Amino acid sequence: AQSVTQLDSQVPVFEEAPVELRCNYSSSVSVYLFWYVQYPNQGLQLLLKYLSGSTLVKGINGFEAEFNKSQTSFHLRKPSVHISDTAEYFCAVRSPRFITQGGSEKLVFGKGTKLTVNP
Amino acid sequence: ETGVTQTPRHLVMGMTNKKSLKCEQHLGHNAMYWYKQSAKKPLELMFVYSLEERVENNSVPSRFSPECPNSSHLFLHLHTLQPEDSALYLCASSQELDRPLTNEKLFFGSGTQLSVL
Repeated sequence: AQSVTQLDSQVPVFEEAPVELRCNYSSSVSVYLFWYVQYPNQGLQLLLKYLSGSTLVKGINGFEAEFNKSQTSFHLRKPSVHISDTAEYFCAVRSPRFITQGGSEKLVFGKGTKLTVNP
Repeated sequence: ETGVTQTPRHLVMGMTNKKSLKCEQHLGHNAMYWYKQSAKKPLELMFVYSLEERVENNSVPSRFSPECPNSSHLFLHLHTLQPEDSALYLCASSQELDRPLTNEKLFFGSGTQLSVL
């Protein structure tokens, strides 16, 4: 079974400051990793994903995340945030095995981190 | 706008009511999903449909009954719900199941905020 821990439920920062949102996961097998963003009153949008290859993944809106297998982490970073980045951010994992391989489509989500960017 | 539309946006119902949530996508996707987002809890996958066939049911109580009449529409029929079922219900779609994830992502609707009194 997989699980995801987002260590901070809320992160307030000032505009143009750097930010890191932390995500740790546990799994007995290899996983695919995702970050989703949910703006107020909207559904989730994919920010970025790690499937394989380079451990530094770049996503939309200037965000990036680094996969660290030894620390089982996938922290999200942005060097300079904007007011418009205020949203809730969700880290998620899933098995790389598809349903026909006995796997699952199930994404396991963390509880989310609310990022508030203040002027 | 993600191309996935959910109605209604808000729903208040009593425990003895029967209601339905609707999800519609015109992205040409073949897979659709229901997720539940409760306050202070992680998102939970409820059901997965592929080509109108249910392929996953993650131990969801029978008071939630999904229906997928075609690949563009997904319903969640609600009957005799409990107050703890109050949550944001999110629909999502993806092009197909079992495709390399490099070409795959979920498109989410804005959700239906459900309150059970």
